Parts: sequence; structure tokens; C-alpha cells
Amino acid sequence: GAVVSQHPSWVICKSGTSVKIECRSLDFQATTMFWYRQFPKQSLMLMATSNEGSKATYEQGVEKDKFLINHASLTLSTLTVTSAHPEDSSFYICSAPQGSSEAFFGQGTRLTVV
Amino acid sequence: DAKTTQPPSMDCAEGRAANLPCNHSTISGNEYVYWYRQIHSQGPQYIIHGLKNNETNEMASLIITEDRKSSTLILPHATLRDTAVYYCIVRPSGGATNKLIFGTGTLLAVQP
Repeated sequence: GAVVSQHPSWVICKSGTSVKIECRSLDFQATTMFWYRQFPKQSLMLMATSNEGSKATYEQGVEKDKFLINHASLTLSTLTVTSAHPEDSSFYICSAPQGSSEAFFGQGTRLTVV
Repeated sequence: DAKTTQPPSMDCAEGRAANLPCNHSTISGNEYVYWYRQIHSQGPQYIIHGLKNNETNEMASLIITEDRKSSTLILPHATLRDTAVYYCIVRPSGGATNKLIFGTGTLLAVQP
């Protein structure tokens, strides 16, 4: 299947700093990508839809000024967690649909804010 | 999106078939049934999807009831590496509705 790559796989940052997570579709173009967050022992929660060339669409309750999304090209979307706090520690996962069929997921980024 | 109901957990003996049920009684006519799985600390992995006919691929088989209100994912010969959370999701295929809304899934534990 298609490959979606996230970077970094894990990151530890200090409270108050910002962290950028990259999501790349390696062998196909994705005009849309999705960002999820997953807390321990919970399911994936959709945060936002990243749209190439336009603003991201955020799910209800997700702060757009805190979770900045940029879809700079057809193969790259970035999620920046601004002014991170310990409660932002989580597993962040991106996905990209290939065509109109199934979506492919990155391996996830484990963020720990200390 | 239509909601799905899955048992929270199931056990299966290694080498035996694992049958994972999913109820989706409010599914619409244009919604597909998708199955993904998530091995611990990894991103979800696509398994299979279908509309109304039964489907089979190298990973699994998907059996959808005639009224489409429920389905079963079958792993024919479960191995220890199949231990994961399995998610059943219904959604239209294509376009901006490609987003997947995850429920709580079923934790399948394959026992040696």
C-alpha cells in the first residue's frame, strides 16, 4: 500500500515551547490530510482536516491557534503544537487518503511535554 | 457518520479463526464498511472494506449481512502478531468525506 511518513517518531519538549510534526505522503499526492490525537487507552480523535492551498478545517473543541496546520504542498502537511503544556502530551497521527478509497496512516508521533 | 458498536475485547487461540463482529444498524445506502487495526503505539493499518458484497484479501475476509446492519471481520488463521485493536468504521467513499471517525474498537488478544 501507499506510504505515509511522520517525523519525528517521538519528541520531548519543555513546557511553553512549540513543536512541529511533519506528515509526508511518499509515493502519492494528497490534497487532503487528517490529523488525529490519541490519549493512552483511548481511541483516535480527529483534530482537523488539512487542505492543500487553503485553511485547515478544525473539529469542534480543537483550538486552531494552538494547533497550527500548514499544508504546503501535495505531499507535506505539518502540525505545530504551540506553547505546549503537559496536557498536550499525546500520540499524534496523520493520515492521507489515496484517491477515493482507503486512507493510509503515518506511524505516529509521541509527544511528551515536561 | 453512522455509528458502530463493537465488543470491547475478544480472545482467540493462535492458529484459529478470529471473528470480529460489528453492528452498524443506521448505515446509509452509500456508506461503506471499513476495517482498520492498530497495533500498540503504531498508526492504524487498513485491512479491508466493502459495500454490500462479501470481500476477501490477503489479510482478511469481510462478511456483510444482507440488510447491511452488521458485519464480521474474519482473520482465518490468527497469529500473535494479529493482537491489536480492530476498528469498524462506516463512511461514504470518496471526496471530502474521506475522514475516518474512530469508535472504541475491539481489542483482540491472540493467545499462544
